[in-house]
Amino acid sequence: GENVEQHPSTLSVQEGDSAVIKCTYSDSASNYFPWYKQELGKRPQLIIDIRSNVGEKKDQRIAVTLNKTAKHFSLHITETQPEDSAVYFCAASIGNAGNMLTFGGGTRLMVKP
Amino acid sequence: GAVVSQHPSWVICKSGTSVKIECRSLDFQATTMFWYRQFPKQSLMLMATSNEGSKATYEQGVEKDKFLINHASLTLSTLTVTSAHPEDSSFYICSARDPTDNTGELFFGEGSRLTVL
Repeated sequence: GENVEQHPSTLSVQEGDSAVIKCTYSDSASNYFPWYKQELGKRPQLIIDIRSNVGEKKDQRIAVTLNKTAKHFSLHITETQPEDSAVYFCAASIGNAGNMLTFGGGTRLMVKP
Repeated sequence: GAVVSQHPSWVICKSGTSVKIECRSLDFQATTMFWYRQFPKQSLMLMATSNEGSKATYEQGVEKDKFLINHASLTLSTLTVTSAHPEDSSFYICSARDPTDNTGELFFGEGSRLTVL
């Protein structure tokens, strides 16, 4: 089955700096790669996703890049703010309604004011 | 986006009792729902895939007799933790996709925090 590795497990940055979180996956058939943000005790919320037919996607301060050949994808957050502090999870799946997501181990991001 | 609701949010029970957690898709029909378990400071681990009208598919290492899943309708899946023990204490989260939404986005319930005394 799919295996998703995520690094780093914790990341501390100064407000205004950029943060980068990286994930690798094992199943070359995976074609849907979402990123979720989870605040303490709450449900994961989708922040951005990318499909295998594109290499990069951007939404304001958040961007995701995908390298299908190397089977890795990354989340980039620019101009970080304290409210960005949370746990971020990457995931991979073959993206249709019946297929489950495999999650990475998570990254705890702390943005210091 | 689609809404998935989970109940209860918190439950505390005595060791040996059974606890039922409900997961509902409020504005779409879900033939498939997914149950995840999350221990403190850890990732979401898939426990089982709940299939409407048929048996759930369990991940390796998950005891199907302990974690009973019923998906009797297109909007409701239930997870029953039977004979709960302290090691079953965890955050249980269900999720589902709207099959009419081709983005593939997975929506999560609020989660249910189970504490077994």
